[in-house]
Order: sequence, then C-alpha cells, then structure tokens
Amino acid sequence: DAMVIQNPRYQVTQFGKPVTLSCSQTLNHNVMYWYQQKSSQAPKLLFHYYDKDFNNEADTPDNFQSRRPNTSFCFLDIRSPGLGDAAMYLCATSRLGQGSGELFFGEGSRLTVL
Amino acid sequence: GQNIDQPTEMTATEGAIVQINCTYQTSGFNGLFWYQQHAGEAPTFLSYNVLDGLEEKGRFSSFLSRSKGYSYLLLKELQMKDSASYLCAVKAGAGSYQLTFGKGTKLSVIP
Repeated sequence: DAMVIQNPRYQVTQFGKPVTLSCSQTLNHNVMYWYQQKSSQAPKLLFHYYDKDFNNEADTPDNFQSRRPNTSFCFLDIRSPGLGDAAMYLCATSRLGQGSGELFFGEGSRLTVL
Repeated sequence: GQNIDQPTEMTATEGAIVQINCTYQTSGFNGLFWYQQHAGEAPTFLSYNVLDGLEEKGRFSSFLSRSKGYSYLLLKELQMKDSASYLCAVKAGAGSYQLTFGKGTKLSVIP
C-alpha cells in the first residue's frame, strides 16, 4: 500500500509550458519535502514544509514554487520549465520528533522537457 | 557547507561481501542514513546511525565513526537484486531534520 503517492509518474512538457506535480501522503507526517534528482546525481532539496511553515533552499530557482494546502497534499509548480529542469522529482515525508526522522519517498515524477 | 563523498561505482560478485564507504564534512551532525535506490525508482531506507558503532539488520550492516566523519555500509551474501545505487545522507546540525545526500555509489552484482 503506497503511503506517499506522486502524480503523474511521467510528465512530458514543452519548453516554457507550466507544469504541476502532486504528492499526497497517508502517514500523517508533519514534514513534506521536494527533491530534484538528475541522472547519477544526489537528490537536491528544493523546499520543505514543516506543518504549514514553508522553507525554501537558498539556491532553489524562482521558477520553482510549492504549495501545501493541507497536511496530506503538497504540490510543486514549475512556472517556465527549461531543458535543465528535466529530472526526477521526489516527494518525501518525515515525522519530526519520532524515531530517526527517516524520509519516506514517493515513487517520483519524471519530467521530460522538449 | 556540506560535503559527502562516496565512490561512484563498485562491482562485486554474487554471494560475496562488499563495503561501501562514505565520508562527510558537515556543519554539525545529527545522524547518518543509508538508502537504496534501484534505477528509476525512489530511494528506500536501509539504516540509521547516530552513535558510533555497528548497526546490523539482516544482510546489511552500517558503521559510524563520528570523530572520523566516516561510515560504511556492509552488504553480505550479495544477491543480484542488490544491484542498485546506495546513497549516504547526513542530518546536519542540532535541531536539523533535513537530509543532505551524497551522489550515491552504483553497485553492480555479477554472477
């Protein structure tokens, strides 16, 4: 039973055409993260939410935005995708203050930009 | 800044033992994680170390030395399905909960 669900699994868009990726979780975790991972590279943290508090990494481009309308859902908006934004986008959750605080990942959304 | 180093690739034989090393230099330390990632899939949690020493979980063990900024993941009785990337990740700084990942070590298990 999937606990962190990402949609779509595969997204193809044209250069400059906005894209929204979604993530939902059934774990009731208080922290949600968006990572970008390019081929053979480390996952790179873009944003995270601790409850409703939004935290933007200093080097996340302005082209990327995020929304968390409630505990269960989080969205990643790419306003004007460029060729360099083609990557796997990973959503993850964790429960702060419980255990190791390990991250639980969704299966990822693979973005192709034409 | 945060710096996490792992070998890029390793090859090992089915049934053998392999050790994947990770060294880190971070501003603070609050735990180290190992994740397994098969090609095109999301990372899955393998182990967590916050104190020095060895944590064993079935065929997988993870070791940490905080004074040396060093960890390793030990995989025993290798199986073909263990072919994957292994990511070392550090939770840095008191009160920090974000993970910083290394680039991963791609392990190929051969017959």
